[in-house]
Parts: sequence; structure tokens; C-alpha cells
Amino acid sequence: TQLLEQSPQFLSIQEGENLTVYCNSSSVFSSLQWYRQEPGEGPVLLVTVVTGGEVKKLKRLTFQFGDARKDSSLHITAAQPGDTGLYLCAGDRGSNYKLTFGKGTLLTVNP
Amino acid sequence: DVKVTQSSRYLVKRTGEKVFLECVQDMDHENMFWYRQDPGLGLRLIYFSYDVKMKEKGDIPEGYSVSREKKERFSLILESASTNQTSMYLCASSSPGGRRAFFGQGTRLTVV
Repeated sequence: TQLLEQSPQFLSIQEGENLTVYCNSSSVFSSLQWYRQEPGEGPVLLVTVVTGGEVKKLKRLTFQFGDARKDSSLHITAAQPGDTGLYLCAGDRGSNYKLTFGKGTLLTVNP
Repeated sequence: DVKVTQSSRYLVKRTGEKVFLECVQDMDHENMFWYRQDPGLGLRLIYFSYDVKMKEKGDIPEGYSVSREKKERFSLILESASTNQTSMYLCASSSPGGRRAFFGQGTRLTVV
């Protein structure tokens, strides 16, 4: 059973378009994290959201944590080719060290 | 800057060989992890360690073992490599609370 479901699995868009990717669960998480992974590299943390309803912005990226702390979304405004990569969400359930990862959304932004 | 370093980017090993994957972190983190990443399956936790000489099984420990003799180093061992262990292996570390994991660059292992 996959605890964190990410959608869509693949997304191919043109430069300048907006997009939203989703991370959903039936379980409550203490926090959710978003990572971006480029080909051949390890994931790099973008943001951690902790409070239900929290919204965080990182330049053109907006992250939201659901009120019930079961889901999260990542919105990218005016996507650029440099945004291309695998976006992973991960949640911790308060176990102090163990993260659960979704399978990721592979984003391609075409020039 | 924070760093997690994996000993090899690419490895090719033969079936039945004993394989060692090494990971070193310079952040004095208590927690260290080994994941494998496969297309369509995402990141799956193999083993993790929350202290020196302490280890716990993750979701897919079969065919693997680990060693953590020093705080900064966490090794993954494939006792007898098999072709179904061909994968991208990722090491990570985090401080207590685990809300920020730092990953190494990954080791792409091919078992032939």
C-alpha cells in the first residue's frame, strides 16, 4: 500500500505555463517535504510544511499543506526549462526519523 | 555546505559477488538511511540507523545488510548480488526529528 499518492505521474508542458502537482494520503503526517531530483543525482529538499493550512513560497513555487495534514500541493507559476525534474513528496509520521516517499511526478518543461 | 558522499557513482558487479556501498556524511547527523530507487516504484527504504551500531530494517531489507561503526559512515552490503538488485541506491542523513533529509548523489549499480 502506497501511503503517499502523487499525481500526475508525468507532466509535459511548455515554458511559461502554470502547473500544480498533488500529494495525497489517507494518513495524517506531522510534516510533508518536497524534493526535486535531477537525472543522475540525489533528491534535494525544496521545502518542509508543518502546520495544517500552511502556505510557503519559494520564488515561483508555492507549496500548501492541507488543513487536515493529509495532503499537499506544489504550484509552479510560469514554468521554465530549469524546473524540469522529478518532484517527490515525503511525509514523516512523528517516528523521529523515518520518511515515507511518494513515487514522484516527472515534470518536463519544453522551451 | 552540507555533504553526503557515496563512494561510487557507477558500479558493475557479477552475480554472486559481495558488494559494499559506502556513504559518509559531514553533518554529525544521528540518522542515516539507505534507499533504492526503481522506475515506477519510487524510493524504497532498505535499512536505517539512528545511532552508531544501531540499525533497523526498512521496507525491503531482504538480501541486504548494513554496518555503522562510526557516526559519519553507513555501509550497505549486498551479501550475494543478484540481477534484481540492479538499481539506483541512495544514501541520506538527517538530524533527530528527520524533517530534512540530505541525500548523496546516488550509486547506479548494475549486476550482470
